[in-house]
Amino acid sequence: GAGVSQTPSNKVTEKGKYVELRCDPISGHTALYWYRQSLGQGPEFLIYFQGTGAADDSGLPNDRFFAVRPEGSVSTLKIQRTERGDSAVYLCASSLLAGVSYEQYFGPGTRLTVT
Amino acid sequence: DAKTTQPNSMESNEEEPVHLPCNHSTISGTDYIHWYRQLPSQGPEYVIHGLTSNVNNRMASLAIAEDRKSSTLILHRATLRDAAVYYCILRDKERTSGTYKYIFGTGTRLKVLA
Repeated sequence: GAGVSQTPSNKVTEKGKYVELRCDPISGHTALYWYRQSLGQGPEFLIYFQGTGAADDSGLPNDRFFAVRPEGSVSTLKIQRTERGDSAVYLCASSLLAGVSYEQYFGPGTRLTVT
Repeated sequence: DAKTTQPNSMESNEEEPVHLPCNHSTISGTDYIHWYRQLPSQGPEYVIHGLTSNVNNRMASLAIAEDRKSSTLILHRATLRDAAVYYCILRDKERTSGTYKYIFGTGTRLKVLA
């Protein structure tokens, strides 16, 4: 079946611009996670959705970052006034349920470059 | 969050077994041990997880020490396609939000030699 998909695969933007990154989770998965990965590091948690609501946004670095999941499936990560330090690979993951034994399925990521 | 310690890199010859160690001396009784791997230019991929007993699946085996302070991921016959970064992660429920997020370290970069 189809896995997690993310679009675009690459995004280059200028400092100060607004960007949106999209995640299509596996159909029927209720839990959705966003992570950010800098070069040479492991992924870093940003936000977790259970259904439509953001249950944990403790990983968002500041208020320039925002994410939505209005219908409980597709999610969009929004970054305002981008900065060069926002350059990273943004990963989305989904799992059937949010439980300690449920593995997360990751998408291929969106590589964001802020020039 | 309890932390894990892994070697930065390891090498293995093709078709030989690989033992990837992970130390987690501060593990709590409710922490599960999860392993993921990340191939170049891809998102992480689930490998295996366990709580107390050793676990086997089609990809690998997970050997958990009796005191649970360490574990070992075993690839029985390494292939070139197993070259990846392997992450050992402890996973528990965050009490207030119910989040089962992963806290990744920097993992072990496995190089497989032909």
